[in-house]
This record gives sequence, structure tokens and C-alpha cells, in this order.
Amino acid sequence: DFQMTQSPSTLSASVGDRVTITCRASQSVSSWLAWYQQKPGKAPKLLIYKASTLESGVPSRFSGSGSGTEFTLTISSLQPDDFATYYCQQYDSYSRTFGQGTKVEIK
Amino acid sequence: QVQLVESGGGLVQPGGSLRLSCAASGFTFSDYYMSWIRQAPGKGLEWVSYISSGGSTIYYGDSVKGRFTISRDNAQNSLFLQMNSLRADDTAVYYCARAMVRGLKSAFDIWGQGTMVTVSS
Repeated sequence: DFQMTQSPSTLSASVGDRVTITCRASQSVSSWLAWYQQKPGKAPKLLIYKASTLESGVPSRFSGSGSGTEFTLTISSLQPDDFATYYCQQYDSYSRTFGQGTKVEIK
Repeated sequence: QVQLVESGGGLVQPGGSLRLSCAASGFTFSDYYMSWIRQAPGKGLEWVSYISSGGSTIYYGDSVKGRFTISRDNAQNSLFLQMNSLRADDTAVYYCARAMVRGLKSAFDIWGQGTMVTVSS
């Protein structure tokens, strides 16, 4: 079974900080990886797909990189609206596995 | 606008059944693969099931295989999830989501607001 492991689980940061979240796959998923943002009580929102392609309407401070088994989501300058939980998800296999999530908190 | 609206959630006893619906609008529903994804209270996201645009290809997660059935009615722009033999660990918010491109290798670009399913005696 695919395993997707995110680190850290929780991240405390300040407005303006550069933030990086890592997602590791138990086997290669090529570039078939997405990142989602979820706020409390809301549905997830697609930020990045195919590892590094920004979804339409998503601010350019979000970026994604990586391929194979290691991926990163970077927020170049954290804004108040960015405090949320972030999930990676592989879609290489038919079983769409999500990471356990990274909560970005206010420091 | 492009929208997915789930319904059918509620409280059900262990061993019971429930049928969830997802009404799609604002796009050509029959062109898109669709999925159900769930989230237990305070937990992460878990993919449940996937159905191709015409309904001929279906996949399930291991935790629901043999108990849940996904289906769609393209004439009614609707997606369904029939849930049988429900267990306490099926308690979750259930989201329907659209695969952004045709085919299996696709992220989910549109999500509904979710419907809560509680399995408890």
C-alpha cells in the first residue's frame, strides 16, 4: 500500500515567514502529486497539481517541487489567510492516498 | 457556477445503511470522473471511491470494499454512495469531488461542502 508521510505535523510561523512542508511517498509517484489547503469546517481547496503546477487563482507565493518520492510545498511569504492545514495526495495509483496533514499555526 | 452539493448524511445505527447523493451543476457532469473522500472528526482525509465518467470503471479503498457502492446518473447530474454494514469508524464528513481531467491520473479540483455521517447506537 502507498504511504504518504508529511513533515512536520505542526508548524508554527509568523506572517512574512518562508514556510516549507515536505511530503514523502513510500514508492515513486512520478509527478502525480497534489497539494490541498483546508480551513476548519471547510472543504479542501486544490493549490498545486502535477507536483508543481499552480491551480488557477492560487496566489503565486505558493509553489511546489519534487518528483519520485520527495516533494515540497513552499509558501514564500506567509499571509494571515494561509494559516490552515495542508495535505499532499498522490494520484499515481488508483488508490488516492493522502498525507496525514500539516497544520500551519500562528507563532 | 461550478458546484457540488452533497446530501443524505445523518445518524445511523451500527450495521445500518445510508445513501449519499451529490448534485452537480455548472459543468458537463458526464465528462468527469468523480470521487468520494471522507474525513473523520479531527482526522485527515481518506479517499473512499472513484468512478469513471461513464461509470464503467470503479475503485474502492480497502476500508470500504464490499460494503460501499458508488454509482452515478449522468442524466440527473448526480453521484451516489450506497453505504451498507456501517461501522463506528465510518463516522466522518463525506465529500464528493471532481477529478480535474479525464482519466485516472487527476487531482480533485472541485469539492462539495460535505455531509456528516454518524454511526452510533
